[in-house]
Amino acid sequence: DAGVIQSPRHEVTEMGQEVTLRCKPISGHNSLFWYRQTMMRGLELLIYFNNNVPIDDSGMPEDRFSAKMPNASFSTLKIQPSEPRDSAVYFCASRLTGTYEQFFGPGTRLTVL
Amino acid sequence: GESVGLHLPTLSVQEGDNSIINCAYSNSASDYFIWYKQESGKGPQFIIDIRSNMDKRQGQRVTVLLNKTVKHLSLQIAATQPGDSAVYFCAEIDGDTGTASKLTFGTGTRLQVTL
Repeated sequence: DAGVIQSPRHEVTEMGQEVTLRCKPISGHNSLFWYRQTMMRGLELLIYFNNNVPIDDSGMPEDRFSAKMPNASFSTLKIQPSEPRDSAVYFCASRLTGTYEQFFGPGTRLTVL
Repeated sequence: GESVGLHLPTLSVQEGDNSIINCAYSNSASDYFIWYKQESGKGPQFIIDIRSNMDKRQGQRVTVLLNKTVKHLSLQIAATQPGDSAVYFCAEIDGDTGTASKLTFGTGTRLQVTL
């Protein structure tokens, strides 16, 4: 099993540009989570899906952030427009309903200049 | 003013010694806890878990202790090795394994293993 796959691994962009982060969960997992990790606030849950449906998006910082899960094997986190304070490592994790353990991807390091 | 970053407590341990990493959790209703290890440049990785109806669980070289009275969790690593150097997070779950459950992570502790 390849584990959770995230792309790109690194993204450098300029303020105001649109950024799209991608995630492929582990096959068969039906819960998907997006996290952001910064030195300021540690690891924060942004949003999570169950069976492709958003369950809790209370962690999404503001309207510039949006997430979708069009099917069981793909999710995106979009930031439009991006700002320097969005610079962070963004992790995707997946889980099989009926279990507690979340499996994390390698993360996407985003730098907004 | 200038913002201050999150200060990670650091534990320095000599190779071969035992390590104890502590965590205080916030929600007395949490019924499940996980310890994660995060190496530099990687995502968090599951180490060991424990349910709230237990006070101790052992794995390979690791033991987790849970004290619900004071809402305290600890991770003990026996015979610490250089490969154990990482940031360790405790995480708590309030909810069942269905749609409602999500992890709340602690701030983390950095473990440095010296030779």
